[in-house]
Amino acid sequence: GESVGLHLPTLSVQEGDNSIINCAYSNSASDYFIWYKQESGKGPQFIIDIRSNMDKRQGQRVTVLLNKTVKHLSLQIAATQPGDSAVYFCASPGGNTPLVFGKGTRLSVIA
Amino acid sequence: GAVVSQHPSRVICKSGTSVKIECRSLDFQATTMFWYRQFPKQSLMLMATSNEGSKATYEQGVEKDKFLINHASLTLSTLTVTSAHPEDSSFYICSARDGDREGGETQYFGPGTRLLVL
Repeated sequence: GESVGLHLPTLSVQEGDNSIINCAYSNSASDYFIWYKQESGKGPQFIIDIRSNMDKRQGQRVTVLLNKTVKHLSLQIAATQPGDSAVYFCASPGGNTPLVFGKGTRLSVIA
Repeated sequence: GAVVSQHPSRVICKSGTSVKIECRSLDFQATTMFWYRQFPKQSLMLMATSNEGSKATYEQGVEKDKFLINHASLTLSTLTVTSAHPEDSSFYICSARDGDREGGETQYFGPGTRLLVL
């Protein structure tokens, strides 16, 4: 599998503000993307997914944007709350291959 | 739906003993299960992939004789850490997916098992 880094990019956001977490991918053939949230001491939790025939999908307080032209994915969290503090991973499962995780982004919410 | 459980949630064992971790898909049939390990402040690292009824496929650098994986049914996979040593102390996370259904490429993760080897 690919190597994973030791240092997670971090993002600090004031409580109540919106958060934007970005992710880039390299495989232009990727057609399905998932965002996971991992809280400390827990396994990754599915948040939201999007297929390549869409460029935007909304959930409860979360929105995922997909820009296939530049191979970029973002997760927007509205009115960020302390409970949103976690590490966020984007992933793109490809057929039968397992998910390989990158560095992720550690979101810290400042009360 | 799509709930994955793990047992135990944490375990402490003596060096040289073996530890078994169970992973269950509670409301779906997992044709494929995966085992990851995670060290503090690092990302998840894939250890192995197992398909029901088949031998597991291990990632490079993962000793198959040390980390025994059994996927005997569509809802249960076990990881046994044999002759555990302190360097095996880590957070072990299983994941499962139902590859036979549409949209089944999504992997769902268990809550993880914290292993501490003394």
